[in-house]
Amino acid sequence: GDSVTQMEGPVTLSEEAFLTINCTYTATGYPSLFWYVQYPGEGLQLLLKATKADDKGSNKGFEATYRKETTSFHLEKGSVQVSDSAVYFCALLRWGAQKLVFGQGTRLTINP
Amino acid sequence: DTGVSQNPRHKITKRGQNVTFRCDPISEHNRLYWYRQTLGQGPEFLTYFQNEAQLEKSRLLSDRFSAERPKGSFSTLEIQRTEQGDSAMYLCASSRGQGDNQPQHFGDGTRLSIL
Repeated sequence: GDSVTQMEGPVTLSEEAFLTINCTYTATGYPSLFWYVQYPGEGLQLLLKATKADDKGSNKGFEATYRKETTSFHLEKGSVQVSDSAVYFCALLRWGAQKLVFGQGTRLTINP
Repeated sequence: DTGVSQNPRHKITKRGQNVTFRCDPISEHNRLYWYRQTLGQGPEFLTYFQNEAQLEKSRLLSDRFSAERPKGSFSTLEIQRTEQGDSAMYLCASSRGQGDNQPQHFGDGTRLSIL
C-alpha cells in the first residue's frame, strides 16, 4: 500500500541554520505530495504542495521538489526562525483517491 | 474563508460513555474528511463524504464509530461505548469538489481523553 517515510526527529537547530527534513514515499502511479505543519495545540496547516514530477512547491521560505526518480519530497529552508518550531508532516494523495497518507511527523525546535 | 471549525476542542469522558463531535467545513467545500491522530503519529484516515454521501470508510472505523453529514454541510462523528484506545485527536478537513487532488484544509481538532 501507499506509505510515507520521514526523517526521524526531533530536530534541533539554531536560528538562521539551514533546514532539511527528508521525506520518501511509496505509491502506485504519480501521487500529489504535500507538506503540512502543526503548531502546538492546533490542527494541520498546508505549507506547500507539488502535483507532478519536478514541480517545486514553495511557501514562507520553505521549498520542496517532487523527485520521481528518487521518490522523494524533501523539505528545505535556507534560514530558520524560532517561529518555525513545529511538527512537520509529509503526505501523499494518490490520483483519484481522497485519502491523505501521512508520514509520522518530524518535530523541529529552533533555538535563538 | 472562515476555516474548518471543530467542537468541542477537548472532551474528557469515562470509558463506556458515548461522545459526539461536530465539524463545520469551509462553506464552499463539498468534500469532508475525518482523521484520527494519536500522540507522536501522523493522522490516519477514517472516512470521507462528498456532499451528504459517505463514500469511503477505513477499516479503522469500527462499528462503534458512526459519521453523518445529513445536509451536506456540517458533519458529526459519534463514538459509542468509548474505550481507552479511542483517546486521540480527531481531525476534520474539507476540500473543494472540483477535480482531483484538491488540498485538504484542517480544523484544530477535538482532543478526546478517556478516563
